[in-house]
Amino acid sequence: GAVVSQHPSWVICKSGTSVKIECRSLDFQATTMFWYRQFPKQSLMLMATSNEGSKATYEQGVEKDKFLINHASLTLSTLTVTSAHPEDSSFYICSARAGKSGELFFGEGSRLTVL
Amino acid sequence: GENVEQHPSTLSVQEGDSAVIKCTYSDSASNYFPWYKQELGKGPQLIIDIRSNVGEKKDQRIAVTLNKTAKHFSLHITETQPEDSAVYFCAASRGYGAAGNKLTFGGGTRVLVKP
Repeated sequence: GAVVSQHPSWVICKSGTSVKIECRSLDFQATTMFWYRQFPKQSLMLMATSNEGSKATYEQGVEKDKFLINHASLTLSTLTVTSAHPEDSSFYICSARAGKSGELFFGEGSRLTVL
Repeated sequence: GENVEQHPSTLSVQEGDSAVIKCTYSDSASNYFPWYKQELGKGPQLIIDIRSNVGEKKDQRIAVTLNKTAKHFSLHITETQPEDSAVYFCAASRGYGAAGNKLTFGGGTRVLVKP
């Protein structure tokens, strides 16, 4: 099946620094990618929808200036957590929608720990 | 917006028994209902899905039923095995395959299959 790769799978950073997480569709073109955040023992909460070549659409309550999303190509979307704080520590998961079938594929997630 | 409720939050079953997880949704326009299995530290994996034009779908030990009138759908796992232990999420969305088909997730069910 289709593969969505996230990198890094885990990252530890100091408070105040910025962290970039990549989401790549390895064997298909993704017209749309979604970014989720998942706190421990909780469900996935959609942060934003990213369409290639256009600005991301953020869900209510998600700060667009803090969570920068770039979808520069049909196979890559990036999420940058700017000026990270301990409360941003979470599991970040992307999903990519295949252009032809419309099926959604999830990445393996990226665990961010902010000290 | 869509609201998806999932029950139970935890489920412990003996190996070989069946497990049933139930979800209700609020948006009558939702027409796509996937189920995901998430193992510790990993992204969700699609295990089965159902569209609103069918009432039941089965894939080996897994089946899903949908009641559009009551706006609820259920996951049934028969002959459970220890490797079925994981967190299961239901989800709902409008317009499978259409642009920007956002998924709304249920709260998750932690399933433990005891050998």
